[in-house]
Amino acid sequence: GENVEQHPSTLSVQEGDSAVIKCTYSDSASNYFPWYKQELGKRPQLIIDIRSNVGEKKDQRIAVTLNKTAKHFSLHITETQPEDSAVYFCAASMGDDMRFGAGTRLTVKP
Amino acid sequence: NAGVTQTPKFQVLKTGQSMTLQCAQDMNHEYMSWYRQDPGMGLRLIHYSVGAGITDQGEVPNGYNVSRSTTEDFPLRLLSAAPSQTSVYFCASSYQDRDNEQFFGPGTRLTVL
Repeated sequence: GENVEQHPSTLSVQEGDSAVIKCTYSDSASNYFPWYKQELGKRPQLIIDIRSNVGEKKDQRIAVTLNKTAKHFSLHITETQPEDSAVYFCAASMGDDMRFGAGTRLTVKP
Repeated sequence: NAGVTQTPKFQVLKTGQSMTLQCAQDMNHEYMSWYRQDPGMGLRLIHYSVGAGITDQGEVPNGYNVSRSTTEDFPLRLLSAAPSQTSVYFCASSYQDRDNEQFFGPGTRLTVL
């Protein structure tokens, strides 16, 4: 069925380094791609999103890129800090609903 | 604004019992949804609603019912609880439709024995 694949499942970086998380999707009609951050025991919260008519979007240390032809999109975090440690989920609109990736556990070591 | 609220926060059921998870939002959002979160599987959509009186199935609807009699409330009913329904349940809402930021509730941790 339609789904979203997310890689890697875990990622460990040194404070100050960059982190990249990649997702692929299967539905060529998908047009909305959000990224959510979930800290331990908390609810998911939106950190950035992109729509299909845009190739890249940036918000301070966070950026998202979208390649519609290849059906993949990526989250880039620069100058990582310990408070960036969390689980990150990508998602893609599919039909009337939203499909999420399985998540990436990012650990930023001080 | 309280945002999206869910009750209860924790619940333990025995196999075969039924219960209702409550969800309410005060942001006048049209779109509401229920997800379950299991380890290593991300968030999976159970049911969603695009407005009062309209509901539809998501990816994993079996064993669950929903109704949307008002814009604010979107309860999720477990008809006959099974151990496979042990999970964390999140309710979410967004403005107009699914192509906007979803605001999540704090979650309900459900254990079925």
